[in-house]
Amino acid sequence: EIVMTQSPATLSVSPGERATLSCRASQSVSTHFAWYQQKPGQAPRLLIYGASTRATGIPARFSGSGSGTEFTLTISSLQSEDFAVYYCQHYNNWPPLFGGGTKVEIK
Amino acid sequence: QITLKESGPTLVKPTQTLTLTCTFSGFSLSTSGEGVGWIRQPPGKALDWLALIYWDDDKYYSPSLKNRVTITKDTSKNQVVLTMTNMDPVDTATYYCLHMVGKATVTKGMDYWGQGTLVTVSS
Repeated sequence: EIVMTQSPATLSVSPGERATLSCRASQSVSTHFAWYQQKPGQAPRLLIYGASTRATGIPARFSGSGSGTEFTLTISSLQSEDFAVYYCQHYNNWPPLFGGGTKVEIK
Repeated sequence: QITLKESGPTLVKPTQTLTLTCTFSGFSLSTSGEGVGWIRQPPGKALDWLALIYWDDDKYYSPSLKNRVTITKDTSKNQVVLTMTNMDPVDTATYYCLHMVGKATVTKGMDYWGQGTLVTVSS
């Protein structure tokens, strides 16, 4: 299994600031990689796939980068609705495991 | 528009078998590329894969739960059923079904999710 490790576990950011979230894979997954956002009481929502392609309807302030084993999700200017937990996931093979999550909270 | 909805018991006793149904619309599991999966999330914890089934009846199971989980599809009813045997309190979680297109590296992520259903395991 390819293990996904996210950092930091919690990120405190002020509204309007930039947030940078990291995810590391235990072995290369190329760009077979996605990011999800989950708000309390809701299902996860796909943000990014292919490491850098925004899913339908996702605002341009969300951007993904990376390949191989190191990936980054950047939120350029945090809005109130962006405070949530973010999960990374690879889909290079089965099982397409998720990371443990990064909680983005209001500073 | 694709929608998915989970249904099943909210409370099961230890050692019982859990059966959950995912009823979906907006796509057909007889169409090439289509897949439906199940993921669970214990309270306050991360996402955990259970099983995945594709249009061609190809099935994938979590290695750690392979002996307890079965996934099947009923294309005519637009449903996917998950059964999990020998339930334990540690299986208490919100169970989600989800949609994806394409196998493995071809996919573009898990693009639609059900609202989830909380299943509590307690005597």
